[in-house]
Amino acid sequence: AQSVTQLGSHVSVSEGALVLLRCNYSSSVPPYLFWYVQYPNQGLQLLLKYTTGATLVKGINGFEAEFKKSETSFHLTKPSAHMSDAAEYFCAVSEPMGGSYIPTFGRGTSLIVHP
Amino acid sequence: TAGITQAPTSQILAAGRSMTLRCTQDMRHNAMYWYRQDLGLGLRLIHYSNTAGTTGKGEVPDGYSVSRANTDDFPLTLASAVPSQTSVYFCASSGTLGARTQYFGPGTRLTVL
Repeated sequence: AQSVTQLGSHVSVSEGALVLLRCNYSSSVPPYLFWYVQYPNQGLQLLLKYTTGATLVKGINGFEAEFKKSETSFHLTKPSAHMSDAAEYFCAVSEPMGGSYIPTFGRGTSLIVHP
Repeated sequence: TAGITQAPTSQILAAGRSMTLRCTQDMRHNAMYWYRQDLGLGLRLIHYSNTAGTTGKGEVPDGYSVSRANTDDFPLTLASAVPSQTSVYFCASSGTLGARTQYFGPGTRLTVL
């Protein structure tokens, strides 16, 4: 069975600093991997995803993530944080179960950006 | 394009009462989902539907039921609400189950007293 672990329920950075949000998963087969962002009082929207091919994936708003199979990780990074990046970030994994891909979300990491 | 709409936006419900949360998508997506979001627990899958006419149980299905009579609509019903069902509920859809990007509605905030 798949599971998703997001290390740190809150991450605090200064504006202009590197953003690193960690995601590790357990899966018996290479899964599909996603990062979503949720702004206050809104639904989730896709930041980026890995399905196949290049393991370094670029997304919207300058975010990127690297799929590392050996480490079962899919950490999200951004070189320079903006105040507008303050939001809740969710890692999600889908692996095949019974012929269907069932998604599982991590518990989320709240990104706090200080001026 | 509206994407996914949910209704109501928020609701206060007495324990023991029934309620249906509505979800409609206009993207002709095959797969649809219902999640609940609780502080510290992230999103947990309640039920899903691979295509019209089929449904499946997610991680936390107890106390909830769904139907998928057509492609566009995926209502979630609480037959007899309990306070532990107080949560924010999100509906989502994707082209295929799990393997594609999910598109989320704005959510329904439900309080059961």
